[in-house]
Amino acid sequence: NAGVMQNPRHLVRRRGQEARLRCSPMKGHSHVYWYRQLPEEGLKFMVYLQKENIIDESGMPKERFSAEFPKEGPSILRIQQVVRGDSAAYFCASSPMTGILAGELHEQYFGPGTRLTVT
Amino acid sequence: DQQVKQNSPSLSVQEGRISILNCDYTNSMFDYFLWYKKYPAEGPTFLISISSIKDKNEDGRFTVFLNKSAKHLSLHIVPSQPGDSAVYFCAASEGGTSYGKLTFGQGTILTVHP
Repeated sequence: NAGVMQNPRHLVRRRGQEARLRCSPMKGHSHVYWYRQLPEEGLKFMVYLQKENIIDESGMPKERFSAEFPKEGPSILRIQQVVRGDSAAYFCASSPMTGILAGELHEQYFGPGTRLTVT
Repeated sequence: DQQVKQNSPSLSVQEGRISILNCDYTNSMFDYFLWYKKYPAEGPTFLISISSIKDKNEDGRFTVFLNKSAKHLSLHIVPSQPGDSAVYFCAASEGGTSYGKLTFGQGTILTVHP
């Protein structure tokens, strides 16, 4: 069973360009989460999606950032008109469900991340 | 507003000894706590979790302790092995409709010396 796949692993964009980050969840997982890790910091929640629905986007910047998880295909995190401050590692995670099952919180499985560099 | 804090950026331990990683939180709505381990150029890997109704959870060499009154949790690794060298993140979830949203600490770099 393949793990969470993210591509590209490394992405270089010039200021003002668009960045598209892809995430394919583990087989059977319909819940996807995006996190951003700035240098020297922990991971920060951005958005939680289920197929064709955004469940929680409380961590998404209000402008330039959008996310989708279509019925078919990977989840996409899109950053328009990138700026240097967008340089970070972006991690995607997936889970089969969310919440508690048999007293245990459903684990989120993380992908290897996409390292975005804005020049 | 840093709701989950790991105040020690790094920890160095001798192989075979105990490693204790600490985490403090401020949000009393947190319902579940987790520890993740991360190697360079990889995503975080789940280690162990604990519900707010418990004060201890054990899994092999890893034990997590939760002190709700102090809003403090710790991860004990006994005995420590060189392969445990990694960055360890504490994370928390509010529960309810927010179970999917994890709030992470800044991480602690653990180095286990042979």
